[in-house]
Amino acid sequence: SYVLTQPPSVSVAPGQTARITCGGNNIGSKSVHWYQQKPGQAPVLVVYDDSDRPSGIPERFSGSNSGNTATLTISRVKAGDEADYYCQVWDSSSDHPNWVFGGGTKLTVL
Amino acid sequence: QITLKESGPTLVKPTQTLTLTCTFSGFSLSTSGVGVGWIRQPPGKALEWLALIYWNDDKRYSPSLKSRLTITKDTSKNQVVLTMTNMDPVDTATYYCTHRPSSGWYVQYWGQGTLVTVSS
Repeated sequence: SYVLTQPPSVSVAPGQTARITCGGNNIGSKSVHWYQQKPGQAPVLVVYDDSDRPSGIPERFSGSNSGNTATLTISRVKAGDEADYYCQVWDSSSDHPNWVFGGGTKLTVL
Repeated sequence: QITLKESGPTLVKPTQTLTLTCTFSGFSLSTSGVGVGWIRQPPGKALEWLALIYWNDDKRYSPSLKSRLTITKDTSKNQVVLTMTNMDPVDTATYYCTHRPSSGWYVQYWGQGTLVTVSS
């Protein structure tokens, strides 16, 4: 089955840029989606199809995807961006297509 | 405005069957391409996809849980039901109902989630 690998944690100072990676075999050939989850809340979609933003998501959130790594970039980080972030793909390459999530990355704003 | 809400038991005993209902509004499950699914999250752990049902009644299941899951829809009631058999304490999790848009392989909207505890 397809595996997505995320770093458990990323720390960044306010105003700096945070980069959260999502690794997978030839992930560049898939569409990657990113969710933000704050404590006690349901996840929220922040980037879809590698680099598109849903309505209402700040331009500070951006995504890229190439080769074996997809990246969520958060510019000018704010305290309110502190949350868990999950990447997700639709894996249609196996006999049993399914939705796959990464293990999540906790973003800490110092 | 699209909303989804989960309902069902908060506590089930080991070996019992869990039945969760998702009641949604703001869209129709008759619209081509639309899907409603379920994702769970054990306390302190990552998200895990469970199942998805499409507007045309096509169904997809997590390969690792397929033998225990059944997903159905009642379009007239705007409801989707998930059943999971042979519950175990490791199935303790928050279960989310989710909306898949007609043109994407992602979750566009989430329910608030419902915590299900499996314990005798």
